[in-house]
Amino acid sequence: GEDVEQSLFLSVREGDSSVINCTYTDSSSTYLYWYKQEPGAGLQLLTYIFSNMDMKQDQRLTVLLNKKDKHLSLRIADTQTGDSAIYFCAESKGNDYKLSFGAGTTVTVRA
Amino acid sequence: ETGVTQTPRHLVMGMTNKKSLKCEQHLGHNAMYWYKQSAKKPLELMFVYSLEERVENNSVPSRFSPECPNSSHLFLHLHTLQPEDSALYLCASSQGGAGEQYFGPGTRLTVT
Repeated sequence: GEDVEQSLFLSVREGDSSVINCTYTDSSSTYLYWYKQEPGAGLQLLTYIFSNMDMKQDQRLTVLLNKKDKHLSLRIADTQTGDSAIYFCAESKGNDYKLSFGAGTTVTVRA
Repeated sequence: ETGVTQTPRHLVMGMTNKKSLKCEQHLGHNAMYWYKQSAKKPLELMFVYSLEERVENNSVPSRFSPECPNSSHLFLHLHTLQPEDSALYLCASSQGGAGEQYFGPGTRLTVT
């Protein structure tokens, strides 16, 4: 199976909070990342969290990490139409140049 | 220019053509990557260069040939491609193997 798993779709109303979930399998993961990809564009690094942290907040974004359950989530507060995109979770195991990506969650923001 | 740039942004080529994709990073990083993004498949790491040396080659067919002349530039030379090679090719860079990776906008490749 996949090392990193995400649900494929999320629909959210404008102004509500979005929560995107991700699970990973390798307990030796050191960094966990969230990337955003808008149509026709590359991947934009949104935020990341080190594995010894359990929460990180950056403006409208909150990352929660449950290392025991190997569960990562990204919460977007006050979701806007510009937040419609594909969101990828990725994990790094350390200094080996490799990121394992999930398949991506397509977030659609409806008015 | 800032960040990671890629040219061309779109490329259509026949199966007998030879073309090259170019990537340039303006971040002072020492590692560069090629990824392939196909519809309905996870992102696939193709090649990794660190300090201009190839450190990863993920069983990529020889019709894809990377070149890294210096730490700021990365090329992907293409020849005799197949229609299934049509995809978005993304370049990324990082500082070391543990640093976060920054991506370029990609080259949308169509093989006819």
